[in-house]
Formats: sequence, C-alpha cells, structure tokens
Amino acid sequence: GQNIDQPTEMTATEGAIVQINCTYQTSGFNGLFWYQQHAGEAPTFLSYNVLDGLEEKGRFSSFLSRSKGYSYLLLKELQMKDSASYLCAVKDSNYQLIWGAGTKLIIKP
Amino acid sequence: DAGVIQSPRHEVTEMGQEVTLRCKPISGHDYLFWYRQTMMRGLELLIYFNNNVPIDDSGMPEDRFSAKMPNASFSTLKIQPSEPRDSAVYFCASSSSEGSTEYYEQYFGPGTRLTVT
Repeated sequence: GQNIDQPTEMTATEGAIVQINCTYQTSGFNGLFWYQQHAGEAPTFLSYNVLDGLEEKGRFSSFLSRSKGYSYLLLKELQMKDSASYLCAVKDSNYQLIWGAGTKLIIKP
Repeated sequence: DAGVIQSPRHEVTEMGQEVTLRCKPISGHDYLFWYRQTMMRGLELLIYFNNNVPIDDSGMPEDRFSAKMPNASFSTLKIQPSEPRDSAVYFCASSSSEGSTEYYEQYFGPGTRLTVT
C-alpha cells in the first residue's frame, strides 16, 4: 500500500526554527510537495522536490532523500502567522498525488 | 486571474437531499481535481479530470457520488442522496501540464463546507 507519515502536531516558539518530517512509501516517485493550510482555508503550495538535496525559499527550506523515503520542511524565524497545518504529498508512478494527514504547527509567543 | 472558484461556500442540507457542488478552474488549466477533507481522514482525492475527461474515479466513495465536467471551465460534484457522513469540506483544484512534465502544482479553490443533518 501507499503510505505517508507525518507527526500529527508540533509546537514551537516565535522566532525559533522547526523541522517537520515526512516519510513515505509509495508505488514509484515523481516528486514531493509541501503545502500550507491555515485553518478554514485551502491548501497553498510551498515547495517541490524531485532530486535529493535542499531547496531553499526564503524562511522555508525543503529537503529530500529518495533513498530513505524521507523529506523535511524547515521553517526559520518563526512568525505567529506560520501557525497552520503542513501537508506532505508524493506524486506516485501514475503521477497521482498521495497526501499525508498533515502536521498542525502551533506557534507560541 | 481569479483563481479556482467554488460555489456554494457553505451548504447545509437534510439527509436524503441532493447536493450539487460547483467549480470553475483557472482558465487554461487542463487538470481538475475534486477532494474531500475531514478531520478523521484528512485530504482524500475523489476524482480527477484531464481535458474534461474523467481519468480516475477510484476515490469516489460510492454510487451516490457523481462528477461531471461538461466543458473546460465548469465541473460539478453531485451527491444523491446525501447522508450525515458526507459532511466535510470539498475542495476543487486545478493544474496545468504546460511546460514541465513533472511539476504540476495544484491550485485549490476556497472549498465548500457541507453539513448534512
């Protein structure tokens, strides 16, 4: 079967750094996405990785290791507005997105 | 661009009634996806279309659910008859295959919050 695992909830402090992990087991791999979803809103695209390594985009970075079936999203200089759910999704051999359940990130002052 | 448009934003209906959700994808996008999101099950893909043709409807829960895409700018998801367990947020998303064949970022609509009593 296809499976994507993320922690259910994480808490971090404003100004700090937090790493959200995602492990996956899918039938094939054609890229990994991270989406951000604020409560009551739609998911919005954050990042895409298809090759091993780190992709940096401002305060957010995403890392991929295909051999380990592992990715993480790194958020630096946390702000209160970063409180949201973060969804990991993998595109399988059929180019279909398989979604994780999401990690709810709570930022405290 | 106006983004993906969904209507209605909220729908409250009684069990047994027919519910129709509507979606207008971003102009020029050739893929359209219908998702359902609940606290218990997270985000689930129900069906997706490519160039108005249904490609995979394996996520549709049962025969009570049906989806159509009569043209490139409009799609509907219908539930008949509706049941309380159908209560969820239903998202429509669209993407474009133009350019890279790997990177089809999906753009989500604001969702329809359905409550079946």
